Amino acid sequence: EVQLVESGGGLVQPGRSLRLSCPTSGFTFSDYALTWFRRAPGKGLEWLGFIRSKAYGETTDYAASVKGRFSISRDDSNSIAYLQMNSLKADDTAVYYCARVAGVYQLLALLYFDHWGQGTLVTVSS
Amino acid sequence: QSVLTQPPSVSGAPGQRVTISCTGSSSNIGAGYDVHWYQHLPGTAPKLLIYDNNNRPSGVPDRFSGSKSGTSASLAITGLQAEDEADYYCQSYDSSLSEVIFGGGTKLTVL
Repeated sequence: EVQLVESGGGLVQPGRSLRLSCPTSGFTFSDYALTWFRRAPGKGLEWLGFIRSKAYGETTDYAASVKGRFSISRDDSNSIAYLQMNSLKADDTAVYYCARVAGVYQLLALLYFDHWGQGTLVTVSS
Repeated sequence: QSVLTQPPSVSGAPGQRVTISCTGSSSNIGAGYDVHWYQHLPGTAPKLLIYDNNNRPSGVPDRFSGSKSGTSASLAITGLQAEDEADYYCQSYDSSLSEVIFGGGTKLTVL
């Protein structure tokens, strides 16, 4: 069974940093691209970015709203994806989700997401 | 404001059919990019319902179907059940933004 379980959320002050983890199991992690999303209170899903597999150079793409502040990385030896969030703002308060990119194609235009975690809550407040 | 437009809410009685629209533009759905649909109950993991416009992953009931035409796409749910009450999102790609995009979400209420 494919599983993704986000962790690392919590209360953080504005301007600080936080790193979320997404340990996975049930599939060959190194073969897949991984992605991060969020859902802010009262709002819809927002794509944040994704990281390709090693075969595609572990390259990343990000949404304009977080580019330069957020970064995604991966540890294939432990099957974990990470989301590093810097210079956090109140607007970043949300539940954050990691997901597996479906299929073998890792082109941004072809992405969709077949397995998701249950999310971890990040609250940015003083 | 989302690049893909969905109605904020739809409702139907058990057993009925409902449709959820997803309207885009010439830089996303109208450009030929595929549309995918997800079901999400806050506090749980989102679930892929439809991929590549009209394909169901294994395990998704055939009560769920998708279609696409021009700059729009639709999700249809037949034989509505109480367990279908959730938020539904369409997703595609926008070439002007070079980003994965979502609709704003539609809350389905089963009366």
